[in-house]
Amino acid sequence: QSVLTQPPSVSATPGQKVTISCSGSTSNVGSNYISWYQQLPGTAPKLLIYDTNKRSSGIPDRFSGSKSGTEATLGITGLQTGDEADYYCGTWDNKLNVVIFGGGTKLTVL
Amino acid sequence: QVKLVQSGPEVKKPGASVVVSCTASGDALSGFAVSWIRQAPGHGLEWMGCITVDNGNTKYSQKVQDRVSMTTDTSTRTVFLDFRGLRSDDTAIYYCTTVNWLDILTGSPSFAFWGQGTLVTVSS
Repeated sequence: QSVLTQPPSVSATPGQKVTISCSGSTSNVGSNYISWYQQLPGTAPKLLIYDTNKRSSGIPDRFSGSKSGTEATLGITGLQTGDEADYYCGTWDNKLNVVIFGGGTKLTVL
Repeated sequence: QVKLVQSGPEVKKPGASVVVSCTASGDALSGFAVSWIRQAPGHGLEWMGCITVDNGNTKYSQKVQDRVSMTTDTSTRTVFLDFRGLRSDDTAIYYCTTVNWLDILTGSPSFAFWGQGTLVTVSS
């Protein structure tokens, strides 16, 4: 059971927009910056978003990050089949004193 | 840009120890730390801890701190994960990844560069 809650799966068709939520508490999402990672099958995770809403180098502006209270959101517009992957949110937890991750969301582009 | 290259897969028996290495090349790592993050088969990411490359400061997850040691060899730009008392539920891919040490301290960690991962299998 992850401290950060993500939907297990989301799906959409090519060209559409999808959002992935990451729900936490005041000791993590509510008080710290969020990062988002894309993990293609059989590969290491790749940093997409850091400091809640900043795109990592080389990441297209189709990817965006935001936060409201204790929920963070990753948005992906203009979906492509190559976006099919697992997506993870991460942040620091002030009570547990560790980096924590969500359980991951599998994105299917139908 | 930083490239991280990890050591190869390991198979260990329960109770044994394993050492996984992670060698960095490319841009300078001054001010950075290397974190170890593991992923059990079919599961999510779990942060184990990190070590600064410059001076070996460490920060460990409470879950594994009694069984883990992280060290560095600055001459070869290599970081080591020493994991003791292995159990079957330690079977996972172990990744090394870079993080800014200050970001760890201020609650904004992000992991920009990743090694290819090392599969550690614990089985009798």
